[in-house]
Amino acid sequence: DAKTTQPPSMDCAEGRAANLPCNHSTISGNEYVYWYRQIHSQGPQYIIHGLKNNETNEMASLIITEDRKSSTLILPHATLRDTAVYYCIVRVAGGVFGNEKLTFGTGTRLTIIP
Amino acid sequence: EAGVAQSPRYKIIEKRQSVAFWCNPISGHATLYWYQQILGQGPKLLIQFQNNGVVDDSQLPKDRFSAERLKGVDSTLKIQPAKLEDSAVYLCASSAVGETQYFGPGTRLLVL
Repeated sequence: DAKTTQPPSMDCAEGRAANLPCNHSTISGNEYVYWYRQIHSQGPQYIIHGLKNNETNEMASLIITEDRKSSTLILPHATLRDTAVYYCIVRVAGGVFGNEKLTFGTGTRLTIIP
Repeated sequence: EAGVAQSPRYKIIEKRQSVAFWCNPISGHATLYWYQQILGQGPKLLIQFQNNGVVDDSQLPKDRFSAERLKGVDSTLKIQPAKLEDSAVYLCASSAVGETQYFGPGTRLLVL
């Protein structure tokens, strides 16, 4: 069972920042927060992950609350190509052999409006 | 760097027929995963390999599904015989041990 809760859908205007929330109130100390997205008819695409510090890469920023019970994925300047289903997943830290599987929920369907 | 390759991209079969999917992971990735994604749902893990050994196949319907990774590189997932409820996208992913998983484009299966 997925250990995260996400809104089923969101809209965002093109060029604006898209902020996607995720609740993971039962997260353990050794679990990372991962974000993937899935554009229609494609496989899931890795976006970013973090443990407790905020993270940023060329695609997005990840903000994790201090108590680690929730996080927000930020796409700073959304484009039409960012329309996709976004999955927030908690997963044990790497190297724990046999526990690396990703348990997907139903995600948030983000629609970028022109 | 080449990504995860899968073939075929699409397959249509009739129920009770057999079908096989192929996956070539990213070079050097020891861990390989097969996921099933039913329409409207997130992917669900079917089986995980570490090199050529099975790590987790608890969600694999073993009466009809089988998978192998004989030389620790490519993998094949087979369904025999197929049922209507097997219609789904079958996704292959790979990773270095314990690291981020990268997915292929998937094989879309329709069972009639």
